[in-house]
Amino acid sequence: DTEVTQTPKHLVMGMTNKKSLKCEQHMGHRAMYWYKQKAKKPPELMFVYSYEKLSINESVPSRFSPECPNSSLLNLHLHALQPEDSALYLCASSQDNRYGTGAETQYFGPGTRLLVL
Amino acid sequence: KNEVEQSPQNLTAQEGEFITINCSYSVGISALHWLQQHPGGGIVSLFMLSSGKKKHGRLIATINIQEKHSSLHITASHPRDSAVYICAVMRGATNKLIFGTGTLLAVQP
Repeated sequence: DTEVTQTPKHLVMGMTNKKSLKCEQHMGHRAMYWYKQKAKKPPELMFVYSYEKLSINESVPSRFSPECPNSSLLNLHLHALQPEDSALYLCASSQDNRYGTGAETQYFGPGTRLLVL
Repeated sequence: KNEVEQSPQNLTAQEGEFITINCSYSVGISALHWLQQHPGGGIVSLFMLSSGKKKHGRLIATINIQEKHSSLHITASHPRDSAVYICAVMRGATNKLIFGTGTLLAVQP
């Protein structure tokens, strides 16, 4: 199974709503990522979890709150978002050899397309 | 200046043509990735390479570490190859990818 799944596929939310994006993989990967992608732009890294611990936070606003409850699951909790947060949110995973070169293939999910009204 | 530059930004080809997309980077890397993204879709990893050349079907990727340059070639292009191709590099022992701006490829029948 080389699949990363994301739910929901589409999400529309108001600026006062609280919602969550979910990501799951069963490849035994220990690194998981959240990216944000605006139209016609490359993905921007938001967060990296390594062995269920947050290892990279790219200065993301606190209205985005990541959570990694176990090695297969990654959540992104959303609260009080702004219309400019509308984007495609991509999850990815990779093997994470803590003592290796860091050269690991990342497997991407299909994304959640988020619209904030 | 971006750390990862791709060219061309847009490319239109006729079915059957040989296609080359270029990627130059200005930082030390542990690996370079070529990714494919269809419109509205997720991203598929095509290649990860740190030296030499890799081939998968009609796709070939090469990298020259000394010149900090990589190319993605598509032989006998087909309309289903139409997508955005993204070059991304990984620096050192990190999990952080630095992305190029992508090349939008349209292959016409």
